[in-house]
Amino acid sequence: DIQMTQSPSTLSASVGDRVSITCRASQSISRWLAWYQQKPGKAPNLLIYKASILQSGVPARFSGSGSGTEFTLTISSLQPDDFATYYCQQYDSYPWTFGQGTKVEIK
Amino acid sequence: QVVQSGAEVTKPGATVRLSCKISGYSDAGYTFSDYYIHWMQQAPGKGLEWVGLVDPEEANGETIYAAKFQGRVTMTADTSTGTAYMELRNLRSDDTAMYYCATGDGPPEFWGQGALVTVTA
Repeated sequence: DIQMTQSPSTLSASVGDRVSITCRASQSISRWLAWYQQKPGKAPNLLIYKASILQSGVPARFSGSGSGTEFTLTISSLQPDDFATYYCQQYDSYPWTFGQGTKVEIK
Repeated sequence: QVVQSGAEVTKPGATVRLSCKISGYSDAGYTFSDYYIHWMQQAPGKGLEWVGLVDPEEANGETIYAAKFQGRVTMTADTSTGTAYMELRNLRSDDTAMYYCATGDGPPEFWGQGALVTVTA
């Protein structure tokens, strides 16, 4: 199975900050990586697929980059609605696997 | 729209069957059979884990399961009602979790609201 490792596990930031989350795969997954946002008590929401393509309706302050084994999710200017947990997920091969999550908290 | 069945409270060793009704496909320009339906597990306070998938194409019905659940899980899809099912057998306390179904082209964009399964003696 492909292991996905996110860092950091928790991120404390203020409204307006630029924040980045890193996701590393245990082997190359080309660009078959997705990012999700999850708020407490809610289902995950797809933000980005194929490493850098923004899902329809997702604000442009979200962006993704990377290929192979290293990927980054960046929020250019953190908004109050962005405080949540973020997961990366590889869909290069089955079983699909997720990172352990990064909780973005208010500083 | 993806609507799941309600919460379940059950005992160790029992079987649970969750449903996942998918509608509004025609508005989005595709059919129930077009995309795989995936199921994910999320234990309380933990991350997401992929359980498996079912191909709802009627002539196919292909399934792929994560090794952790192989032998205890069965996923099916009924194209006549647009509903997918996941049956999990021989439940254990560590199966207590929220279970999500999800579908879409590639990584799923349409998710159900989740169904909480609690396994308790």
